[in-house]
Amino acid sequence: DIQMTQSPSTLSASVGDRVTITCRASQSISIWLAWYQQKPGKAPKLLIYKASTLESGVPSRFSGSGSGTEFSLTISSLQPDDLATYYCQQYHGLFYTFGQGTKLEIK
Amino acid sequence: EVQLVESGGDLVQPGESLRLSCAASGFTVSNNYMSWVRQAPGEGLEWVSIIYSSGSTYYADSVKGRFTISRDNSKNTVFLQMNGLRVDDTAVYFCVRTVNGAVDYWGQGMLVTVSS
Repeated sequence: DIQMTQSPSTLSASVGDRVTITCRASQSISIWLAWYQQKPGKAPKLLIYKASTLESGVPSRFSGSGSGTEFSLTISSLQPDDLATYYCQQYHGLFYTFGQGTKLEIK
Repeated sequence: EVQLVESGGDLVQPGESLRLSCAASGFTVSNNYMSWVRQAPGEGLEWVSIIYSSGSTYYADSVKGRFTISRDNSKNTVFLQMNGLRVDDTAVYFCVRTVNGAVDYWGQGMLVTVSS
């Protein structure tokens, strides 16, 4: 299976900061990567698919980039509502896998 | 409106079996890729199993040989048969639909607890 490694595991930032989370795949997955936001006690929510396509209704401060093995999720101006854990997920090949998650804390 | 409603979660002892159900509405299960994703308490997300529209199935190494995913097209329902349950199978199990690989709909999640 393709392994996904996210960094950092925890991130603390202030409102208004630009925040970037990185996801690395153990082999090339082209652009077949999605990002999700999960708030405590809730199911995850799709933010980005195909590495950089914003899901309908998701604020434009979220953006994704990358291809091959290196990907990133950027929040251009952190808002209090962005407190959550973020996961990347690859969907290259027959089976899918998630990264281990990045917990975003607001200072 | 798309909905995924899970049922069957319970407290069981190690070695026992359990079958989870996911009743779908608003779309046809057999025309989509359906999966089970789980999340152990305080942990991250783990993809457990997927069933393609073709009927092909795949499993995480952690459950291979113990879990079986299936569907009943007449009931528009997906199942996860879990045999030989272990303590580390304790988790919230989500039924999900993927479109072009990304999950666009999640069920509400259902707790399965394996404990003696």
